[in-house]
Amino acid sequence: GENVEQHPSTLSVQEGDSAVIKCTYSDSASNYFPWYKQELGKRPQLIIDIRSNVGEKKDQRIAVTLNKTAKHFSLHITETQPEDSAVYFCAAGRSGGSYIPTFGRGTSLIVHP
Amino acid sequence: KAGVTQTPRYLIKTRGQQVTLSCSPISGHRSVSWYQQTPGQGLQFLFEYFSETQRNKGNFPGRFSGRQFSNSRSEMNVSTLELGDSALYLCASSLEVHEQFFGPGTRLTVL
Repeated sequence: GENVEQHPSTLSVQEGDSAVIKCTYSDSASNYFPWYKQELGKRPQLIIDIRSNVGEKKDQRIAVTLNKTAKHFSLHITETQPEDSAVYFCAAGRSGGSYIPTFGRGTSLIVHP
Repeated sequence: KAGVTQTPRYLIKTRGQQVTLSCSPISGHRSVSWYQQTPGQGLQFLFEYFSETQRNKGNFPGRFSGRQFSNSRSEMNVSTLELGDSALYLCASSLEVHEQFFGPGTRLTVL
């Protein structure tokens, strides 16, 4: 089955810095890669996703890059703000009716004012 | 549109009991997935229902089961509860599969 590794487990940055979280996956058939943000005591929220036919996707301060050959994808957050503090999860799976997502263990991002 | 709702929000049970959790998806969403979230194992996929049929299943024992009704509402059931079943149970709905919207979760504590 799929295996997703996520690093780092904790990331501490100063407000305004950039943050990068990396994930690797094992199943070359995986072609859908979402990222979720979960604030303390709240539900996970999809913040961005990417499909394997795209190498990069941006949405304001957030971007995701995908390297299919190396089987890794990364979340980039620029100009971090204290409200970006949360746990971020990556996931990987095969799109379509057989979508069974495997999640990374999460990265706790702390943005210091 | 109203978001995904789950009931109850908190539940305390004892070992050996069974429990039923409920999930109401966003109106129009036909896919409902269930996840277990624990500090030790993280987020794990339980199963997914689409149009009243279980379409996908994760690696959980048969004590975990679910169903979906014609209005897309879904329930999951856990029988013969074990201490290790204590977790946050999340459901997520989507129009098709991918862009999933999560509910607030049900916090289950097994004593």
